[in-house]
Amino acid sequence: GQQVMQIPQYQHVQEGEDFTTYCNSSTTLSNIQWYKQRPGGHPVFLIQLVKSGEVKKQKRLTFQFGEAKKNSSLHITATQTTDVGTYFCAGLGSYNTDKLIFGTGTRLQVFP
Amino acid sequence: DTAVSQTPKYLVTQMGNDKSIKCEQNLGHDTMYWYKQDSKKFLKIMFSYNNKELIINETVPNRFSPKSPDKAHLNLHINSLELGDSAVYFCASSHWTDHTEAFFGQGTRLTVV
Repeated sequence: GQQVMQIPQYQHVQEGEDFTTYCNSSTTLSNIQWYKQRPGGHPVFLIQLVKSGEVKKQKRLTFQFGEAKKNSSLHITATQTTDVGTYFCAGLGSYNTDKLIFGTGTRLQVFP
Repeated sequence: DTAVSQTPKYLVTQMGNDKSIKCEQNLGHDTMYWYKQDSKKFLKIMFSYNNKELIINETVPNRFSPKSPDKAHLNLHINSLELGDSAVYFCASSHWTDHTEAFFGQGTRLTVV
């Protein structure tokens, strides 16, 4: 079945350092979404990418969808303590009945 | 108003018991989901309903039975609870046609002792 893996599993950074998480799907995706889950919270939608090679920015966050639509990345510039949480990518397959499959997640810890 | 609400937030119960978790959304979405998040934070889809019709049923023990009385509600009933059922269960909803963002409930932390 479809699998979506993320690396790294954990990342500890000093405040002000950059952070990147990578997402890889075993199958081609129709779109990819990113979510953030704060400790003790629930996943909250950040963004959706649909087009091959698409790049979107939200303030210090940059999201990219690979050319083959099988991988994606999230880059945070100059992390802040408010960035702490687990970041999930979620891929939707190419068929209408496909389900949103969540990646394994990257847990980010930011030290002040 | 909470968009997707689940009750209860916490549930502690003994092995062998039967329990239910309720979910309601007021977003007008036509699709609702149940996800299970284990201790390693992996989020796995369990069920998906579109307009009260079961669309996705992952490899979940048949002790788990979802019920959707209408498209705004999706409840999860679990029979004969086992220790391995301990997890956080999230309800979510979205629009089926364009699969835009999924809105998640606050989660139900189930602990089986």
